[in-house]
Amino acid sequence: LAKTTQPISMDSYEGQEVNITCSHNNIATNDYITWYQQFPSQGPRFIIQGYKTKVTNEVASLFIPADRKSSTLSLPRVSLSDTAVYYCLVGAHNTDKLIFGTGTRLQVFP
Amino acid sequence: DAGVIQSPRHEVTEMGQEVTLRCKPISGHDYLFWYRQTMMRGLELLIYFNNNVPIDDSGMPEDRFSAKMPNASFSTLKIQPSEPRDSAVYFCASSLVSSGVAYNEQFFGPGTRLTVL
Repeated sequence: LAKTTQPISMDSYEGQEVNITCSHNNIATNDYITWYQQFPSQGPRFIIQGYKTKVTNEVASLFIPADRKSSTLSLPRVSLSDTAVYYCLVGAHNTDKLIFGTGTRLQVFP
Repeated sequence: DAGVIQSPRHEVTEMGQEVTLRCKPISGHDYLFWYRQTMMRGLELLIYFNNNVPIDDSGMPEDRFSAKMPNASFSTLKIQPSEPRDSAVYFCASSLVSSGVAYNEQFFGPGTRLTVL
């Protein structure tokens, strides 16, 4: 399982776009990049997953450069309710388990 | 679907007592995971099952911890005897590898907050 590195914390204000970058220099050919979100007092929740280029859903966008050694989770126009910890995970589709790192604690201010 | 169900939501016990945490996975899911989360160590995978069979228990901290999955709809995590350092939030998650929004998407329960005095 590839190791990931992401900022420990980030601050933002309501209405701004937030970009959280994750480094995964040792990503393997079969690895996918997945992001989870964890609100206080809740379990993590899947946000988005991608392999290359760009993926977008109703919650976020995921940008993956051609070398795939990093990825950026983009949250458009954040609100106070986006305050959470965001985890970047890397693993192959046939990998059973997930390894969560320390995550990025996003604090959104009014 | 009700999602992953865990009970109890909160447990306070005294050192030395036996603690049993319970989990009901999402119907049809074939993987079940137990995690522990603390401020110091983050979210740690303890053990996981595939089709009710334990696959990897390398994360179980000590022999005081044991987990069972007698059938596809129920699993327990037992700590005996409990110690203050076991205080944490314990999450259960389930997944169905071959379907869902994405590969290996895990669905987490609300967690059990355990306090050992």
